[in-house]
Order: sequence, then structure tokens, then C-alpha cells
Amino acid sequence: DAKTTQPNSMESNEEEPVHLPCNHSTISGTDYIHWYRQLPSQGPEYVIHGLTSNVNNRMASLAIAEDRKSSTLILHRATLRDAAVYYCILRDPLEANFGNEKLTFGTGTRLTIIP
Amino acid sequence: DGGITQSPKYLFRKEGQNVTLSCEQNLNHDAMYWYRQDPGQGLRLIYYSQIVNDFQKGDIAEGYSVSREKKESFPLTVTSAQKNPTAFYLCASSIWTGGGSGADTQYFGPGTRLTVL
Repeated sequence: DAKTTQPNSMESNEEEPVHLPCNHSTISGTDYIHWYRQLPSQGPEYVIHGLTSNVNNRMASLAIAEDRKSSTLILHRATLRDAAVYYCILRDPLEANFGNEKLTFGTGTRLTIIP
Repeated sequence: DGGITQSPKYLFRKEGQNVTLSCEQNLNHDAMYWYRQDPGQGLRLIYYSQIVNDFQKGDIAEGYSVSREKKESFPLTVTSAQKNPTAFYLCASSIWTGGGSGADTQYFGPGTRLTVL
């Protein structure tokens, strides 16, 4: 599996934008980039995913570098409810084709929002 | 509301006892998964099932068993053979596209925190 590298922790002020980085230098051409987040004592929650182009949804934006070796999850205006562990995960459809549908979670980035 | 339910939220058992964790979904998803999370760690896959009456071992299946008799249900049994069963257990489901797209997302339940005394 291609690996991802994220900072262990980040802090941001409430109502300011947050940029969460993820490095994936060994990404293959078919890997999708997924982001999930996990609030304290809850199950993970899907945030966003993309392949090559930048993506936007109601929760966040995903900016993917041109060489795809890194990506950034952008929360446009952080609230206290965004305090969570954010996971950057690569998913290979070729692996999925052989039944390997697992999500490989690392330790993620713990985001703290300062009021 | 569609979603995944896990029960109970907290579970305490004595060492050596088998225990079954419940997972139910009404999202009409074909695929279901069980993960284990230890403090400060990411999730690790225990078992997954793509269709009824079929399931596959994940990375840490030893000491666990599952069944998939109904599409909506995927119970996990933690047996006495599991050496360190105290953990946070998470169930998830997703659409199964057969060929796998890499874009499928997984929906997680609220988790069951198991403590073995």
C-alpha cells in the first residue's frame, strides 16, 4: 500500500481557515485520495475524496498537487466542532478489485481549534 | 434516517468469556467491515463481508469470528482466544461496486468500547 505522512498535530483559531497537509510521494496513478475525520469517542466520518482535480463539497475542499505527491485538506472556516483527528488515506481500485477493500488508517493529524 | 447502529456503546466482560458485538445498517449496503482501534492508534481491519453468507479475514482476524446471515447485520464475536480484546470496535458499511472503484466511501457506526476485566 502507498503510504501517507501527516503532521501529528495542528492548532488553528476558530473562524479561520485550516490547511491540513498530507504527503504521499509513492502514490500510484490510480490511487484515490480520501480524507476522513474522527471526533472524540466517535466513528470516523467521510470528508472528501479526489483523484487528480481539486474538489469541493459542503464540508471542505481538497487541493491536490499537480504531481499528486501531496494534497491539502482545507476547512474554510474552522469551528469548535471541527476539532478531530483527520486521516489522509489512499485507495487503490486495483487492490479493491481483488477484494482488498480496507481503509488503511495511520495515526492522522489531531486538529485543535482555539476559541 | 439511514445509518449504522452498534450496540452496546460500552461493554464489560470477564477474561475468558466470549462476547458478541452487534452491527446493523439500513443503508442497503452490500459490504460491511469491522475495525479495531487502540488508544492513539489508527484503525485496523478485522473482517469484512462483500455479500451475504461470505466474509474475508482482515489484518488481525485471530481471536475473532463473524457471520453474515442477513444483508443488514454483521455481528462480531470476540472469543477467549483474543489475547488483548480491550479496544474500541467500529463497524462500517459501503456500496460494493464489484470491480472496486477506489472512490467508494465507508460509513461508520458510533463504536463499541469493550473492556475486559
